[in-house]
Amino acid sequence: AQKITQTQPGMFVQEKEAVTLDCTYDTSDPSYGLFWYKQPSSGEMIFLIYQGSYDQQNATEGRYSLNFQKARKSANLVISASQLGDSAMYFCAMREGRTGGFKTIFGAGTRLFVKA
Amino acid sequence: EPEVTQTPSHQVTQMGQEVILRCVPISNHLYFYWYRQILGQKVEFLVSFYNNEISEKSEIFDDQFSVERPDGSNFTLKIRSTKLEDSAMYFCASTSWTLNTGELFFGEGSRLTVL
Repeated sequence: AQKITQTQPGMFVQEKEAVTLDCTYDTSDPSYGLFWYKQPSSGEMIFLIYQGSYDQQNATEGRYSLNFQKARKSANLVISASQLGDSAMYFCAMREGRTGGFKTIFGAGTRLFVKA
Repeated sequence: EPEVTQTPSHQVTQMGQEVILRCVPISNHLYFYWYRQILGQKVEFLVSFYNNEISEKSEIFDDQFSVERPDGSNFTLKIRSTKLEDSAMYFCASTSWTLNTGELFFGEGSRLTVL
């Protein structure tokens, strides 16, 4: 069965510093996708970054990078040069299989606070 | 930019009443989902829908819940007899099989309050 674990309920980071949000997952499917979503206080869910299980390189999107360690089943999100607007809830998510018909499940989330 | 739209943004209902939450997914998307989130906590999968039928549903999605795509644009979630514990934010999402990543595009949510 799919499982996503985020062990950090809350994290603090100083503005302009980097921060790593942890995520581990469990699946028996060799084909899966890993995602990070951001949920600001306004409530919408914003897609940040994707890593496919067969991707050889770690995904990057601007200030976001995904530290994918397949053998350890971890998919940590690294945010570089934190900004005040990065304060939000961050969810790690996983989808098994290659097609969109398969469900995506979410971790419990990590609330990030960026300090000025 | 195309977006998923949900109505109503907030609905207050009495326990035992029926509620219908509506969603208009992005027009060329083929896969549709409902999720719920209780008080900013975990985002929980309810149901996925493809080709006019349910692909998968969670344990939460019991006989009180149903989904429908009544026409080519709307995707609805019906709760037949609401309970207090159904109070949550309900998110509709869609995705396209042509997207290599298959990320979900979420609506802004419908907040349901059951009194």
